[in-house]
Amino acid sequence: AQSVSQHNHHVILSEAASLELGCNYSYGGTVNLFWYVQYPGQHLQLLLKYFSGDPLVKGIKGFEAEFIKSKFSFNLRKPSVQWSDTAEYFCAVTPTSGTYKYIFGTGTRLKVLA
Amino acid sequence: GAGVSQTPSNKVTEKGKYVELRCDPISGHTALYWYRQSLGQGPEFLIYFQGTGAADDSGLPNDRFFAVRPEGSVSTLKIQRTERGDSAMYLCASSLTAENTEAFFGQGTRLTVV
Repeated sequence: AQSVSQHNHHVILSEAASLELGCNYSYGGTVNLFWYVQYPGQHLQLLLKYFSGDPLVKGIKGFEAEFIKSKFSFNLRKPSVQWSDTAEYFCAVTPTSGTYKYIFGTGTRLKVLA
Repeated sequence: GAGVSQTPSNKVTEKGKYVELRCDPISGHTALYWYRQSLGQGPEFLIYFQGTGAADDSGLPNDRFFAVRPEGSVSTLKIQRTERGDSAMYLCASSLTAENTEAFFGQGTRLTVV
C-alpha cells in the first residue's frame, strides 16, 4: 500500500535558522510529489510540486525540495526561516497512473521563534 | 468561483442523525476529492470524482458514507447514522484534471457529533 512518512512531528527553530523536513514515501511506481502548508486558521496551500524533470524544485516563499528517487525521498528545505513560516507542513504523493488519490503524511508542525 | 467553497464551515449534530456536507469546486475543475482530517493527523483520503463518476471510493470507511457529484460540479458528502468517531474536519479539493495537476483545497467543514 502507498504511504508517506514524515519523521519530524514537531520542529522548533529560531528565525534565520535553516530548515529541512524529511519526507519518505512507499510506492512501487512513479509518483508526483507535493508539499502543502497550512498556516494557522487557513486552508491547505501548495508550496511546491514535482512531476518530472529537474529533481530540485523551487516553490513559493523561498522553499525548495529535492526528489531523490533512489531514497524515495522528497525533503523540504529553506535556508533561513522567518516567524511567518510557523505552520504545519504536509508531504503528499499521488501515482502518475491508475488512481490519482493524494496520500498525505501526518504533517510536521513548525514553530519559528522570533 | 475564486476558490473551493465548503458549506457549512461548522456542523454540530447529534449521534444517529444524517448530515450533508457540500463542496463547490473551482469552476472548470473536473476532479474533486474528499478528505477527512483528525486532530494531529494528515488528511485521509475518502473518495475522488473525475467528472460525475467516483473514480476511487476506496477510502470511504463504511456504507454510512456516500458522496455524489451529479452534474460534475458541486459535490455532496452524505453521512448517515452519525457516530461520535465521525467528528473531524472534512476537506474538499479540486484540480483541473486528476492527472498531473495540483489540488486546491477548501477551508473545510468541521463536523462535531455529540
